[in-house]
Amino acid sequence: EAGVTQSPTHLIKTRGQQATLRCSPISGHTSVYWYQQALGLGLQFLLWYDEGEERNRGNFPPRFSGRQFPNYSSELNVNALELEDSALYLCASNPRRISGNTIYFGEGSWLTVV
Amino acid sequence: GENVEQHPSTLSVQEGDSAVIKCTYSDSASNYFPWYKQELGKRPQLIIDIRSNVGEKKDQRIAVTLNKTAKHFSLHITETQPEDSAVYFCAPHYYGGSQGNLIFGKGTKLSVKP
Repeated sequence: EAGVTQSPTHLIKTRGQQATLRCSPISGHTSVYWYQQALGLGLQFLLWYDEGEERNRGNFPPRFSGRQFPNYSSELNVNALELEDSALYLCASNPRRISGNTIYFGEGSWLTVV
Repeated sequence: GENVEQHPSTLSVQEGDSAVIKCTYSDSASNYFPWYKQELGKRPQLIIDIRSNVGEKKDQRIAVTLNKTAKHFSLHITETQPEDSAVYFCAPHYYGGSQGNLIFGKGTKLSVKP
């Protein structure tokens, strides 16, 4: 069974540009979570999608947004990039429909803003 | 929302010693208590979890204990080995209904010295 896949693995952008990160959950998982992990720091909750809808968001500005598609894959968009947005962005999925509690992380996408 | 605190933030032990990491949470509705391990450069992965109807769970050298009254749970690692060196995160939460934002503790960096 394929795990959570994320793309791209690495992305370099300049300040002010937009970045788009993609996530494909494990087959059958309907929930997708996005986290930001700055170097050496913890996991900051960004967004939670389930059944195509945004269910909750963390304490991040509106320039962080995303969506979930009918096939449950998800996209994270970061507009007007700032240097401090440089981080590892982790996606995780969960089989919420069958009340699974464990979340499974992808390998992450490294975003560097220069 | 859930307020999660982890202690200590760093822990250094000699190989063969035991390590204990504590996670304190604020939401009394939380009913699922997982611990994740993140090795350097890798994704976080679930290593052990416990539900609110159980006080303790053990899996070989690792165990988790829960004190729902005091709202804390702990990760215990016995006979530590160098490969236990990693950052450990707790993520207590309520699973069910419309909630589901997973807030992680800030992490504990465990170093096991050979």
